Amino acid sequence: AQRVTQPEKLLSVFKGAPVELKCNYSYSGSPELFWYVQYSRQRLQLLLRHISRESIKGFTADLNKGETSFHLKKPFAQEEDSAMYYCALRRNYGQNFVFGPGTRLSVLP
Amino acid sequence: GAGVSQSPRYKVAKRGQDVALRCDPISGHVSLFWYQQALGQGPEFLTYFQNEAQLDKSGLPSDRFFAERPEGSVSTLKIQRTQQEDSAVYLCASSLSRGPIRTTNEKLFFGSGTQLSVL
Repeated sequence: AQRVTQPEKLLSVFKGAPVELKCNYSYSGSPELFWYVQYSRQRLQLLLRHISRESIKGFTADLNKGETSFHLKKPFAQEEDSAMYYCALRRNYGQNFVFGPGTRLSVLP
Repeated sequence: GAGVSQSPRYKVAKRGQDVALRCDPISGHVSLFWYQQALGQGPEFLTYFQNEAQLDKSGLPSDRFFAERPEGSVSTLKIQRTQQEDSAVYLCASSLSRGPIRTTNEKLFFGSGTQLSVL
């Protein structure tokens, strides 16, 4: 079965510090990985996906199939990055997205 | 509309009561998903529609849960004889993609959710 784990429930960093939100997955096929973000009082929204290899709001994530990881990184955190972050997996040729439990990022001034 | 719309925003039900939650997806979106999000957890998949066809209902926790999308647009999630463990936020999401072909445009648009509290 597919599974997404995010080991940290809460991550606190100071403004300007690097941040890494961890995500590991278990899936025997070739998955698509996503990061979704939910800012305070807003809807869950897509941040980035591995297939696009993009950088959004300074965040990047690299799919490491050997370690089955898709960690989210940003070199210099900003206060507006404070939010809930969910890692998600979509099965190859499937439509069922599997979400991790989420990590709350708190960027302190 | 501007996005995925869900109603009601909040619902309080007495145990044993039936409830119906509505989702209006973005116009033209083929795929529609229902998720259940318990407090402190990530969204858990319930069911998926492609147009009016319910292609996956493997996540529905019991036969008290029923979803429909009769005309391929608005969807309703119905929960019969609600129990306290049904208390959660129910999220609806839609997507332009009809799958299974992956595209770089694949992305879920979420509604604000319906917070269901069963007393």
